[in-house]
Amino acid sequence: GAVVSQHPSRVICKSGTSVKIECRSLDFQATTMFWYRQFPKQSLMLMATSNEGSKATYEQGVEKDKFLINHASLTLSTLTVTSAHPEDSSFYICSVRRPVGLHSGNTIYFGEGSWLTVV
Amino acid sequence: DAKTTQPPSMDCAEGRAANLPCNHSTISGNEYVYWYRQIHSQGPQYIIHGLKNNETNEMASLIITEDRKSSTLILPHATLRDTAVYYCIVLNSGAGSYQLTFGKGTKLSVIP
Repeated sequence: GAVVSQHPSRVICKSGTSVKIECRSLDFQATTMFWYRQFPKQSLMLMATSNEGSKATYEQGVEKDKFLINHASLTLSTLTVTSAHPEDSSFYICSVRRPVGLHSGNTIYFGEGSWLTVV
Repeated sequence: DAKTTQPPSMDCAEGRAANLPCNHSTISGNEYVYWYRQIHSQGPQYIIHGLKNNETNEMASLIITEDRKSSTLILPHATLRDTAVYYCIVLNSGAGSYQLTFGKGTKLSVIP
């Protein structure tokens, strides 16, 4: 079954409005979550690292005031796209890091992604 | 993290083995090789990872050369559902960051 859940899977919003995307870790507590963005026919680009209880760490070129990240609990991180514009239309994907020591296999799991269309 | 190089695309006949190569010549001793795949419009799916020994699971096998400068992902009996973009990533999990840096990957097309 799914380890990471994202919601909504698809959302359409009007220019200038804000939209929130949720990322939930279903199987374990995650102190670290990652947010990626993927434009059509391109690879995933890391936007920011979400740390529970502290400020997110943003990659160079990603506006922290536009892409608000809140990691309020060990199972939930949210990405809010503020004052959305059509160029923000993209596929947003989160990933979750399994705590080291709980499992000897895979460490990083991805959500199913959220399609954002700004009209 | 070390950079990887993969062919942009490959074709494979259904039922045959798919061998996807990856070069990671600058890999360091504590960096793992991870493979993920992304089927169209979905999040990446973990396939397998390894450090220096060959690995096998229910999905695939990973063959890492002795000098660790390259690896091959093997899907033993490719099906149409294996059509996806396959990403080879090296990760220094010991550094604690666990940030995966995605390249362009290999688009595998499984042909009936």
